[in-house]
Amino acid sequence: GNSVTQMEGPVTLSEEAFLTINCTYTATGYPSLFWYVQYPGEGLQLLLKATKADDKGSNKGFEATYRKETTSFHLEKGSVQVSDSAVYFCALRGGSNYKLTFGKGTLLTVNP
Amino acid sequence: SAVISQKPSRDICQRGTSLTIQCQVDSQVTMMFWYRQQPGQSLTLIATANQGSEATYESGFVIDKFPISRPNLTFSTLTVSNMSPEDSSIYLCSVEQREITGELFFGEGSRLTVL
Repeated sequence: GNSVTQMEGPVTLSEEAFLTINCTYTATGYPSLFWYVQYPGEGLQLLLKATKADDKGSNKGFEATYRKETTSFHLEKGSVQVSDSAVYFCALRGGSNYKLTFGKGTLLTVNP
Repeated sequence: SAVISQKPSRDICQRGTSLTIQCQVDSQVTMMFWYRQQPGQSLTLIATANQGSEATYESGFVIDKFPISRPNLTFSTLTVSNMSPEDSSIYLCSVEQREITGELFFGEGSRLTVL
């Protein structure tokens, strides 16, 4: 079945630092890949997505590239802000399964 | 994008009682899903709510414990029955819009605490 393995947190960074959150997946076929973000006290929001190999999703300064050869979808941001403090979830959907499968989430805290 | 409203946003419940969570969407959607997020954990799919038919439950979840209704294309309810402290979680409604393939939208969740 489908699975997502995500970098364990928590991750603590200073403002303007570079962020990488690793995500790898296992799936049959060609799934779509997503990063969702959950700010404190709020529901999940889609941050970015990629639907085929070599696609790059981007939003709010965050980027992730769909790498089929390494089955990865790492999230990056060049300069994080305090307002980026949240839990980030990597997820996939498709292949042989219509369900959205989530990683365990990574808590990011950015200090001023 | 779909706008999803969930009620209640939070509640404190007594052991042995049941609570129904409502999910209202501002547009017609094909697929609606109910997820559970236990404290400090990721999201686990409970069931897929199908309009006009019974819900499809994931392994480990049963209809007697989590009955679901889907009377139309914009509304669904999830009931958490005979609650115990282990049911303390955030319950999230999620929808897929027909014209946006693969992307799911989430409500803000219903945070339940069972004493």
